[in-house]
Amino acid sequence: GAVVSQHPSWVICKSGTSVKIECRSLDFQATTMFWYRQFPKQSLMLMATSNEGSKATYEQGVEKDKFLINHASLTLSTLTVTSAHPEDSSFYICSALPGVSSNTIYFGEGSWLTVV
Amino acid sequence: AQKITQTQPGMFVQEKEAVTLDCTYDTSDPSYGLFWYKQPSSGEMIFLIYQGSYDQQNATEGRYSLNFQKARKSANLVISASQLGDSAMYFCAMRELNTGNQFYFGTGTSLTVIP
Repeated sequence: GAVVSQHPSWVICKSGTSVKIECRSLDFQATTMFWYRQFPKQSLMLMATSNEGSKATYEQGVEKDKFLINHASLTLSTLTVTSAHPEDSSFYICSALPGVSSNTIYFGEGSWLTVV
Repeated sequence: AQKITQTQPGMFVQEKEAVTLDCTYDTSDPSYGLFWYKQPSSGEMIFLIYQGSYDQQNATEGRYSLNFQKARKSANLVISASQLGDSAMYFCAMRELNTGNQFYFGTGTSLTVIP
């Protein structure tokens, strides 16, 4: 099946620093990628929709200047958490849509971010 | 209104028994897809099964089957012959095919399989 790789799986950073999470589609071109945030025991919260070559579309309440999303190629999208704070600690997971007519999306393995 | 509703925060099932996880959805788009994902404690989202709104038959994938009742807007997941490895969070999701690419997720059901 289709594979989406997310890196890093775990990251610990200091308050005030920035951290970048990568999401790669390994065996298909993804015109659209999604970034989600998930708190413990809760559902996935869509943060933004990333389209290759254009600006990401952010959901209401998500700070675009804090959560920078870049979708520079058809196989790579990155999420950068800028000036991280402890409240940004969470599980971040990406997904990729192989095509508009695709029956499903494929998820990365997720990234656990801890800000200390 | 919620697009996807999962009313069972937690469920228990005896090993080797069958279990049904409930999911109802709300949409006015005639073309949509319904999905179930499994999320173990490791966090990865594992695709289980898909049902299209125009599919005449209920989807089946191994021990997973989807009880699709279109008029009632329900898409319950049935897991037969439960195994200990089935213990995980299960999410129902929907994609409206005419209104964009966004997937809507339910709040999830935590399934525990008891030996």
